[in-house]
Amino acid sequence: AQTVTQSQPEMSVQEAETVTLSCTYDTSESDYYLFWYKQPPSRQMILVIRQEAYKQQNATENRFSVNFQKAAKSFSLKISDSQLGDAAMYFCAYRTYGSSNTGKLIFGQGTTLQVKP
Amino acid sequence: DAGVTQSPTHLIKTRGQQVTLRCSPKSGHDTVSWYQQALGQGPQFIFQYYEEEERQRGNFPDRFSGHQFPNYSSELNVNALLLGDSALYLCASSIRTSGGKSSYEQYFGPGTRLTVT
Repeated sequence: AQTVTQSQPEMSVQEAETVTLSCTYDTSESDYYLFWYKQPPSRQMILVIRQEAYKQQNATENRFSVNFQKAAKSFSLKISDSQLGDAAMYFCAYRTYGSSNTGKLIFGQGTTLQVKP
Repeated sequence: DAGVTQSPTHLIKTRGQQVTLRCSPKSGHDTVSWYQQALGQGPQFIFQYYEEEERQRGNFPDRFSGHQFPNYSSELNVNALLLGDSALYLCASSIRTSGGKSSYEQYFGPGTRLTVT
C-alpha cells in the first residue's frame, strides 16, 4: 500500500522569504501523480501544484515549485517570496496513474505554514 | 460556473443517530469522491462514485454508505454515529477521461463539519 509522510507538523517563514516543505512517499508503482494541496482556515482544499512521475522536469507554478526526486521518493514544495495569504495547512498527496485508477488520493498528515509579517 | 457545493455546512448529531451529507459536483464532472478529515489530520478516502455505482472504497465500515444520482450529485450516509465520526467531510469531484481513467485534478468542496456528541 502506498503511504505519504510529512515530517514537519509546523513551519514558519518571514514574509518575502523562501520556505521548503518536505514530503516522502512509499510506493512500488512506477507511474503516479503527486500533488500539493493548500487548505486555508476556510477549509477549501485548493490544488497548488502537480507532478507526473514520468516527467523528469520539476513542476513550477508561479512562486511554487517542487523538487521531485523519484529514486529517493521525495517530493518537496518550495514557496518563494512568501505572502501572508500563503498561510495555511499544506498537504502532500499521491495518486495512482494506471488504468485501474479511480482517482483515490492518499494524503500526508499536513504541514501548517505560518507566515510572519 | 459553480464549483463543488456541500450541504449542510455544520451539523451536530447525537451518538447512535444517522446523518446524510450532500454534494453537488462541479459542472461537467461525473465522479464524486468522499473523504473524512479528522481535526489536524490529512483527509482519508471513504469511497468514490461513478455512473451511480461505488467504484472504490477505503477502509471504512459498512456504517458509511453512499449514493450517486443521475445528475451526478451524491450523498454520504453514516449510521449509528460514534464520537469518532466527528470530522470534516469533504467531497471532491472529477471527470473521467476516455478509457476510463480519471482526470488528475479533483476539485474539493468546502466540507461539512460533523460533530457527534
